[in-house]
Amino acid sequence: GEDVEQSLFLSVREGDSSVINCTYTDSSSTYLYWYKQEPGAGLQLLTYIFSNMDMKQDQRLTVLLNKKDKHLSLRIADTQTGDSAIYFCAESRGSTLGRLYFGRGTQLTVWP
Amino acid sequence: DAGVIQSPRHEVTEMGQEVTLRCKPISGHNSLFWYRQTMMRGLELLIYFNNNVPIDDSGMPEDRFSAKMPNASFSTLKIQPSEPRDSAVYFCASRPDGQGYSRGYEQYFGPGTRLTVT
Repeated sequence: GEDVEQSLFLSVREGDSSVINCTYTDSSSTYLYWYKQEPGAGLQLLTYIFSNMDMKQDQRLTVLLNKKDKHLSLRIADTQTGDSAIYFCAESRGSTLGRLYFGRGTQLTVWP
Repeated sequence: DAGVIQSPRHEVTEMGQEVTLRCKPISGHNSLFWYRQTMMRGLELLIYFNNNVPIDDSGMPEDRFSAKMPNASFSTLKIQPSEPRDSAVYFCASRPDGQGYSRGYEQYFGPGTRLTVT
């Protein structure tokens, strides 16, 4: 299909790990991104992974990429209430360089 | 760096009125994107420019919407006449050119304009 797909909601308790999943569409995608949107704000780049990598770790964030299944995940360790936000997965497709294709976003709610 | 600047931050208007949203991209960025975000449809790309030239406007909903980029530091999105279904948050984003750029095609987003059409 055409869409980048994500589940819409995820709730976790403070201190637990959060895993947000995404499936993308283009096997020639070069970069895949995770953006974070806090209430009332624009999107900010959280992390990204180049398509020749399987994993990328950045402090509490771990990105896993399964190219065979076109599956991307974002794991947030020791989730805090400040992590509550909408998380968007995005891909850059080889056929239309320059634009990004975004998923609908996953609303992460962290309960104290 | 000032980041991407959008104005106004909030706009409330009556159906049938003309609305103009403004964007100043980050200096030196060659590409500019206009998005619309709603609960129903998520984040939609409306149009994007490269070096002030429109590249893809297939996301523009209908003729009531128009976008211009008269120079590298300014873009407008105009809705005329506005309708209640145009109520949304409109984002502008910019990106530097160059395939060799280390983060690929990362876009930098402005804070958005929340438009309410009554």
